[in-house]
Amino acid sequence: GAVVSQHPSWVICKSGTSVKIECRSLDFQATTMFWYRQFPKQSLMLMATSNEGSKATYEQGVEKDKFLINHASLTLSTLTVTSAHPEDSSFYICSASPGSNGEKLFFGSGTQLSVL
Amino acid sequence: LAKTTQPISMDSYEGQEVNITCSHNNIATNDYITWYQQFPSQGPRFIIQGYKTKVTNEVASLFIPADRKSSTLSLPRVSLSDTAVYYCLVGDGGSGGSYIPTFGRGTSLIVHP
Repeated sequence: GAVVSQHPSWVICKSGTSVKIECRSLDFQATTMFWYRQFPKQSLMLMATSNEGSKATYEQGVEKDKFLINHASLTLSTLTVTSAHPEDSSFYICSASPGSNGEKLFFGSGTQLSVL
Repeated sequence: LAKTTQPISMDSYEGQEVNITCSHNNIATNDYITWYQQFPSQGPRFIIQGYKTKVTNEVASLFIPADRKSSTLSLPRVSLSDTAVYYCLVGDGGSGGSYIPTFGRGTSLIVHP
């Protein structure tokens, strides 16, 4: 099946610093990628839809200036958590689909962010 | 927006068949039904997808009744390694629409020895 690579797998940072997470589709092109965050024992919460060559679409309640999304190519989307705070500590997951309507999604392995 | 409802948790034993049902009363004509499996600290993994009737692959079967308002994921002869959270998603886009994959609470399956 299609492969989505996400890096890093885990990151620890100090409060106030910025962290970048990369999501790559390795064997297909993805005009759309999705970013989720997940707290322990909870479901995935959609943060934003990343669109290649255009601005991301953020879900209600997600601060676009805090969670910067860049989708510069058909195989790469990045999520930057700016001025991270301890409450931003979470598991972040990206996904993409090789299909035109995105019905079948492939997910990255996730990034565990811990902000001290 | 098609909303899904699943049991929060299920318990089973090794070797048994497990059926997890998902309700999606507001499913649209063009929507597919897709199931994912997630282990702790990992991204979800695609299991199976269907539109109507029955679909079977090497790991599971998916049963969809004629009205498509529900679906049942069937896992034959589960093992301990099938302990995970299972999510059903329903396609949110129509023809030419954009798909916004929204996760419900999922079903936490625990398989006991």
